Amino acid sequence: EDQVTQSPEALRLQEGESSSLNCSYTVSGLRGLFWYRQDPGKGPEFLFTLYSAGEEKEKERLKATLTKKESFLHITAPKPEDSATYLCAVHFSKAAGNKLTFGGGTRVLVKP
Amino acid sequence: DTAVSQTPKYLVTQMGNDKSIKCEQNLGHDTMYWYKQDSKKFLKIMFSYNNKELIINETVPNRFSPKSPDKAHLNLHINSLELGDSAVYFCASSLRADTEAFFGQGTRLTVV
Repeated sequence: EDQVTQSPEALRLQEGESSSLNCSYTVSGLRGLFWYRQDPGKGPEFLFTLYSAGEEKEKERLKATLTKKESFLHITAPKPEDSATYLCAVHFSKAAGNKLTFGGGTRVLVKP
Repeated sequence: DTAVSQTPKYLVTQMGNDKSIKCEQNLGHDTMYWYKQDSKKFLKIMFSYNNKELIINETVPNRFSPKSPDKAHLNLHINSLELGDSAVYFCASSLRADTEAFFGQGTRLTVV
């Protein structure tokens, strides 16, 4: 069965302490991997799309990378405003139902 | 100017009632979705529509019925509400089924 797993579930960082979040997937046909940020009481906010192994995308302190079996979201020198839940979602092939499947998320807390 | 808007933001109702949640997108997207986020923050797809046609219908009780009057609107009607239906429901839209989705702010449904 196609699955998306995120680790760790929660991450506490000091301001400026860089770290990485992991999203691993077992999939029959990847059509795209998406990273979202979700703040409490709000809908997920789109960050990045990755389509093929080796691809990288960057935005401010965030950098997303993709391999054949996993993706990493690197947070460099985080600030308190980077505190949020980060969600990974994988778009599976038409044969697998052509749908977006989300991981459970990583709750990130950045302390000043 | 909100891209994906859903109403109401909060909905508190008694068991057995019927309720609707409305969603509108002004992004010109062809595909719209309903997701359910449970108390553990897991986002799970319920329905997907493409140009008013239902393309994904996950294992959802048939008390839930989506309706798409046009490609900018996707409403969710729920009959005979149960305690277990309490969750946050998100509407989303995307240009195509394999591109990033943009989410509304969510409707927190509480069944008492």
